[in-house]
Amino acid sequence: AQTVTQSQPEMSVQEAETVTLSCTYDTSESDYYLFWYKQPPSRQMILVIRQEAYKQQNATENRFSVNFQKAAKSFSLKISDSQLGDAAMYFCAYRSAGVTQGGSEKLVFGKGTKLTVNP
Amino acid sequence: DAGVIQSPRHEVTEMGQEVTLRCKPISGHDYLFWYRQTMMRGLELLIYFNNNVPIDDSGMPEDRFSAKMPNASFSTLKIQPSEPRDSAVYFCASSLAGQGAYTEAFFGQGTRLTVV
Repeated sequence: AQTVTQSQPEMSVQEAETVTLSCTYDTSESDYYLFWYKQPPSRQMILVIRQEAYKQQNATENRFSVNFQKAAKSFSLKISDSQLGDAAMYFCAYRSAGVTQGGSEKLVFGKGTKLTVNP
Repeated sequence: DAGVIQSPRHEVTEMGQEVTLRCKPISGHDYLFWYRQTMMRGLELLIYFNNNVPIDDSGMPEDRFSAKMPNASFSTLKIQPSEPRDSAVYFCASSLAGQGAYTEAFFGQGTRLTVV
């Protein structure tokens, strides 16, 4: 079974600075997808960024980027120019490539990292 | 589309009572998931459906929990009888079938269940 580990329960960053959230995972599959979700106090789960394992290029979405190291099974999230609205719980998640390749559609989540942004 | 809609948003019930949580997935989505979020265990999958058929219910804690999907636009998660340890936030999510990371799961706003 796949597992996802987020080793930082809490992180803090100054507004306008950069912060990196760590995520490692364990899998025997070769094809899969990785996601970062944000959960603000409103409780809504919001997709931040996605990465396909077969792509070597790291995904980028505006101020959010990832450092995907497939061999090391590492998938960190970098937030640049942090804003007060970035304060939230961040969850790393894993999904198999799908049932057609013997996997599952379900998401496996890490325990989350609580990010505080200081003004 | 209005997104995934869950009801109620909050539910407080007494131990031993039956609780029913409801979910309307995004129209056209093939998959529906029920997750539970607690401080101790984080987000864990309870069950998921594909085209209204349960595919994996290995996360359902025990026989007190049951889930149904009578049609493509509606699902329920029922707890009977409820216990204080069932207190959690329950999320419903839906996604499209197919390959690619772009078939990401869209989540509802969750139901916060408190069993006293």
